[in-house]
Amino acid sequence: ILNVEQSPQSLHVQEGDSTNFTCSFPSSNFYALHWYRWETAKSPEALFVMTLNGDEKKKGRISATLNTKEGYSYLYIKGSQPEDSATYLCAFFTYNQGGKLIFGQGTELSVKP
Amino acid sequence: DADVTQTPRNRITKTGKRIMLECSQTKGHDRMYWYRQDPGLGLQLIYYSFDVKDINKGEISDGYSVSRQAQAKFSLSLESAIPNQTALYFCATSDGTRSTDTQYFGPGTRLTVL
Repeated sequence: ILNVEQSPQSLHVQEGDSTNFTCSFPSSNFYALHWYRWETAKSPEALFVMTLNGDEKKKGRISATLNTKEGYSYLYIKGSQPEDSATYLCAFFTYNQGGKLIFGQGTELSVKP
Repeated sequence: DADVTQTPRNRITKTGKRIMLECSQTKGHDRMYWYRQDPGLGLQLIYYSFDVKDINKGEISDGYSVSRQAQAKFSLSLESAIPNQTALYFCATSDGTRSTDTQYFGPGTRLTVL
């Protein structure tokens, strides 16, 4: 059974704080790790797809790093804003059963003004 | 217009009723997925379809069935709904089978089974 774990489960920060959270995944048979951002009452939307060990991706104030050898990825948000409040999901790609994503349980971020 | 639509958006039903959730997409993607989301559990895959003739069970398919009526349509049925099927259901599509292919999600259907 492939296990993808995210921590913490929820996070409450003040506007302007920088924050980070973790996604842990199997370190063998790695192909890609996806990050999605899901705002309440909206559809989850893709943030990053990461494939190479040491990869770093950035989108505005959000960035992510990847360590495939030890099986983790960090998502960082610099200077959090209330509009960053969302659940952040990571997903590990496996070719089991033809190819699918295994999602973590998500980290719910709340940014207070 | 949204690329991936789901109907209904909210549904309350009773135990034992049959219910169908529908998903349509205009992205022209071959692959479609149904997930359910429960608090603290992330997205769990129910069924997925590579094309109209290829349907596969996900991790939690018991109690569900699907129909791929056309490339653009993928329906999820609960033959006899039970309260622990109360959840948020998402449909998604993707263009192919590469590890880097992004999935595009619908807005979700919130189902309550009383």
